[in-house]
Amino acid sequence: QVQLQESGPGLVKPSGTLSLTCAVSGGSISSNKWWTWVRQAPGKGLEWIGEIYNGGDTNYSPSLKSRVTMSVDKSKNQFSLKLISVTAADTAVYYCARVKVDTSCYDLWGQGTLVTVSS
Amino acid sequence: DIVMTQSPDSLAVSLGERATINCKSSQSVLYSSNKKNYLAWYHQKPGHPPRLLISWASTRESGVPDRFSGSGSGTDFTLTISSLQAEDVAVYYCQQYYSTPRTFGQGTKVEIK
Repeated sequence: QVQLQESGPGLVKPSGTLSLTCAVSGGSISSNKWWTWVRQAPGKGLEWIGEIYNGGDTNYSPSLKSRVTMSVDKSKNQFSLKLISVTAADTAVYYCARVKVDTSCYDLWGQGTLVTVSS
Repeated sequence: DIVMTQSPDSLAVSLGERATINCKSSQSVLYSSNKKNYLAWYHQKPGHPPRLLISWASTRESGVPDRFSGSGSGTDFTLTISSLQAEDVAVYYCQQYYSTPRTFGQGTKVEIK
């Protein structure tokens, strides 16, 4: 069955760039229209970062829009998140997830990856 | 942005008893053209990602036990666990997908009394 796996550096310096990839295995990224990123600061709730269509269209959280870029690489069957100018407030577990067909809720999640912003 | 507010923040329920979680949205998430409520429920166990339990306010996902049920419309929603089991200990979140940005409630922690 389809699985998602996040990967990327676990430690990013303040003012640096956070870059994560979500690999889709067991199926084609093109088999689903939308994919999303959600994060969770330590001990806190879920925060929506944005979503990307497999054709490249995006929707971003207004609070992060100026710093976020999402992309899809169909040849590698993966999608990516880039967040620039990070601060300690960006320390969180970052999840990638699949948007359920004909909805905008999330029926398949990666295990999540902790990214710490610290010097 | 649509603000989602859950109550209570936490609750402790005896095994086999009913647990009820409320979720209120700052504006209606009922789409008039299709009469669907754009509201989902998840739970999250420690160290794990969230799991989708219910979409469209009341439609259980495949494999979700039928002790979980969702109800409500417009701005007020409820998740009910009819007979709490030990494996239901988790934090529960509601989410609206009526508009962007998608927003989640702050979470309700469910524990065993």
